Amino acid sequence: GQQVMQIPQYQHVQEGEDFTTYCNSSTTLSNIQWYKQRPGGHPVFLIQLVKSGEVKKQKRLTFQFGEAKKNSSLHITATQTTDVGTYFCAGDRGSTLGRLYFGRGTQLTVWP
Amino acid sequence: NAGVMQNPRHLVRRRGQEARLRCSPMKGHSHVYWYRQLPEEGLKFMVYLQKENIIDESGMPKERFSAEFPKEGPSILRIQQVVRGDSAAYFCASSQTGTSYEQYFGPGTRLTVT
Repeated sequence: GQQVMQIPQYQHVQEGEDFTTYCNSSTTLSNIQWYKQRPGGHPVFLIQLVKSGEVKKQKRLTFQFGEAKKNSSLHITATQTTDVGTYFCAGDRGSTLGRLYFGRGTQLTVWP
Repeated sequence: NAGVMQNPRHLVRRRGQEARLRCSPMKGHSHVYWYRQLPEEGLKFMVYLQKENIIDESGMPKERFSAEFPKEGPSILRIQQVVRGDSAAYFCASSQTGTSYEQYFGPGTRLTVT
């Protein structure tokens, strides 16, 4: 069954609004990664979080890893039309030689 | 500095035919992962290979699916006797270290079974 849950599945925002997607794992993760996939494209690695409570920023994107290493979030401030795509979290449970467990993704639409 | 290459990019097969998907990892990478993505779904792990070895195939259906990564040449994902439910995007990813860190994905092969 689904081991990494991600919500919401869809998000429509006006350009300039903020956006957040949440990821929750049923088991503790050794690390969590975030990917972005444009329509018709392939997943592109954004970031990896490893430490409990870790927060990383990339310009308008803020990534957090929960204290229990079971949940994570991606927040985009002041969305732009270039942010359109599907954002996936992917967890590594640490015992499976690189196997990643992907969430279903959040499909972000940004209206100009 | 070529990235991960996959071909074909699009593949159409009739039910019952065979599909062969190829993946050439990034230069210097010897670890290959195959994932399947159904429409509006996340990626699901299928198999992890190193050169000449299948390390983890726990995500791959036991029947009709097979994968290899020979000493020379690309990794191949083979689907025999395809059915409509096999229609999906198949992505391979490669990494240098065999960990989950920075798996670089190829452009994918979109398989359509008619």
